[in-house]
Amino acid sequence: QKEVEQDPGPLSVPEGAIVSLNCTYSNSAFQYFMWYRQYSRKGPELLMYTYSSGNKEDGRFTAQVDKSSKYISLFIRDSQPSDSATYLCATGDQAGTALIFGKGTTLSVSS
Amino acid sequence: KAGVTQTPRYLIKTRGQQVTLSCSPISGHRSVSWYQQTPGQGLQFLFEYFSETQRNKGNFPGRFSGRQFSNSRSEMNVSTLELGDSALYLCASSNPGQGHTGTQYFGPGTRLLVL
Repeated sequence: QKEVEQDPGPLSVPEGAIVSLNCTYSNSAFQYFMWYRQYSRKGPELLMYTYSSGNKEDGRFTAQVDKSSKYISLFIRDSQPSDSATYLCATGDQAGTALIFGKGTTLSVSS
Repeated sequence: KAGVTQTPRYLIKTRGQQVTLSCSPISGHRSVSWYQQTPGQGLQFLFEYFSETQRNKGNFPGRFSGRQFSNSRSEMNVSTLELGDSALYLCASSNPGQGHTGTQYFGPGTRLLVL
């Protein structure tokens, strides 16, 4: 079993839709959870960072972590064409080291 | 603040050669991590340097090595290149212990093509 599983998609939605992106992980020691957005031929850009369980909201983005089910989610409200990118979930058990990434979900938002 | 910078951005090498990639972290960040990204394997951790010491290492062969200088800039070296080393090499910096502990900020990457 891979440490972090993420559906690669692709996921296609119309502009304005609510998007749900999800990952599961296997190691209960993981405490740090992140979502990165990566545009084509660019480096990953940090979107959301969560420590332990709970929700975190930033503008149109909401990150959720459920440690009991080892499930992490990213919700995007009022999706825009500029949100079209690959979204990567990442997790780790120590601050600042050895992040383990999902393989990424490719999202396309059409206008 | 300037972001993480990586040089060169693109590189073409042939099998058997060696290559050195450079990374300058965000000012004040003392931890630098390197990752390899390929379509098949995704993002995989190579190693992490903190205060000039390798603190963590991923599951890559010894052909992959790195170092960090006193100004936190880092280099990674790949010797005896293989076709499978073609990838996007990403550097990420962080400052453990302050602010968003554990948050890593990535550079644009160096795209390496091995022929």
